[in-house]
Amino acid sequence: EVQLVESGGGLVKPGGSLRLSCAASGFTFSSYSMNWVRQAPGKGLEWVSSISSSSSYIYYADSVKGRFTISRDNAKNSLYLQMNSLRAEDTAVYYCAREGDRGNGMDVWGQGTTVTVSS
Amino acid sequence: SYVLTQPPSVSVAPGQTARITCGGNNIGSKSVHWYQQKPGQAPVLVVYDDSDRPSGIPERFSGSNSGNTATLTISRVEAGDEADYYCQVWDSSSDHYVFGTGTKVTVL
Repeated sequence: EVQLVESGGGLVKPGGSLRLSCAASGFTFSSYSMNWVRQAPGKGLEWVSSISSSSSYIYYADSVKGRFTISRDNAKNSLYLQMNSLRAEDTAVYYCAREGDRGNGMDVWGQGTTVTVSS
Repeated sequence: SYVLTQPPSVSVAPGQTARITCGGNNIGSKSVHWYQQKPGQAPVLVVYDDSDRPSGIPERFSGSNSGNTATLTISRVEAGDEADYYCQVWDSSSDHYVFGTGTKVTVL
């Protein structure tokens, strides 16, 4: 079964850091680009970051650029999001999502992990 | 930055057709993807590349894209179609993905 499982969410104070992980299974992880997408409480979907299969191409939303770092370990079938200098507006459910093999949408999503930034 | 605008809500009776629009500057030149999200669940891809359906998605879901508007059409609407729907494109000028504002579909 194709599956993505996020972990690492939690409560953190403003200015703090957190590292999210996404474990992939059931497919050849190293062949796919991957994404992080977040959703603030009661709000819509917001793309956060993308990374190509070999990490050659990395993109960030303006709202997180310079604070978040996306990475992957193809040997461990894992995707990561290092989040620094966290703000209250980073509070959201964070989803990892697989990019279709021809860039045709995000075809597999995890169940999400919740990040709460509050003092 | 590129903006995608959707109506906040669409209401439809069971068995009727729901049409959800996604407006963006010259969106017809981009590939549009559509996602369904039910409460407390992760999004699900229902249409990709304007009008293609992933395996397992009913034929009742279809899409079109031209000019400044893309449209997701749900035919013969069922109670289980009640959800939030989001359009999405890749904006090559900024190397960003962009999601639409989202539309809540209510089945009357």
